[in-house]
Amino acid sequence: DAKTTQPTSMDCAEGRAANLPCNHSTISGNEYVYWYRQIHSQGPQYIIHGLKNNETNEMASLIITEDRKSSTLILPHATLRDTAVYYCIVRPYSGGGADGLTFGKGTHLIIQP
Amino acid sequence: DAGITQSPRHKVTETGTPVTLRCHQTENHRYMYWYRQDPGHGLRLIHYSYGVKDTDKGEVSDGYSVSRSKTEDFLLTLESATSSQTSVYFCAISADRDGNQPQHFGDGTRLSIL
Repeated sequence: DAKTTQPTSMDCAEGRAANLPCNHSTISGNEYVYWYRQIHSQGPQYIIHGLKNNETNEMASLIITEDRKSSTLILPHATLRDTAVYYCIVRPYSGGGADGLTFGKGTHLIIQP
Repeated sequence: DAGITQSPRHKVTETGTPVTLRCHQTENHRYMYWYRQDPGHGLRLIHYSYGVKDTDKGEVSDGYSVSRSKTEDFLLTLESATSSQTSVYFCAISADRDGNQPQHFGDGTRLSIL
């Protein structure tokens, strides 16, 4: 699977948009970009995923560059409850073999009051 | 949130004792997974299941066994627990294994082997 690179930590003011970048320059054409987050002591929570097009759901928006080498997760109006570690993951379309997700170190997002 | 319940949520036991962790889902999803999470290692796949009585090994399967006799339940067993198996264990489920199907996680079991 392609490797991802994320900043170690970021701060954002409450009520502002939080923009979390991810670099995945070795991504291949059949690999999806996934975002999860993990709040302390809880299981990873699925946020959003996409292949080529930008995606939006009730939690966030995902912007994927045209060359697919990077993406940005946008939390439109961050709240204190959005403080968590955010993971960007690249995942192939076809499973084949053990289909475990590979979580890197992620970005620790801290929402400031 | 996906209907996933892990039990127990916390357990402390002694080296050499058997331990069974349970994952129960109400989503009728075909695929179920067991991961462990340790500082410095992220999440690592232990075993997964692709249907009733169909299971396979993941990255760190040594010392663990699994069983799935019903769609909704996936059990993880440590036959003889060791201190190196102290960890947080997460169960995940997905409707299918292709890349367009997200895995959804439970809230974990914190296991301490003394």
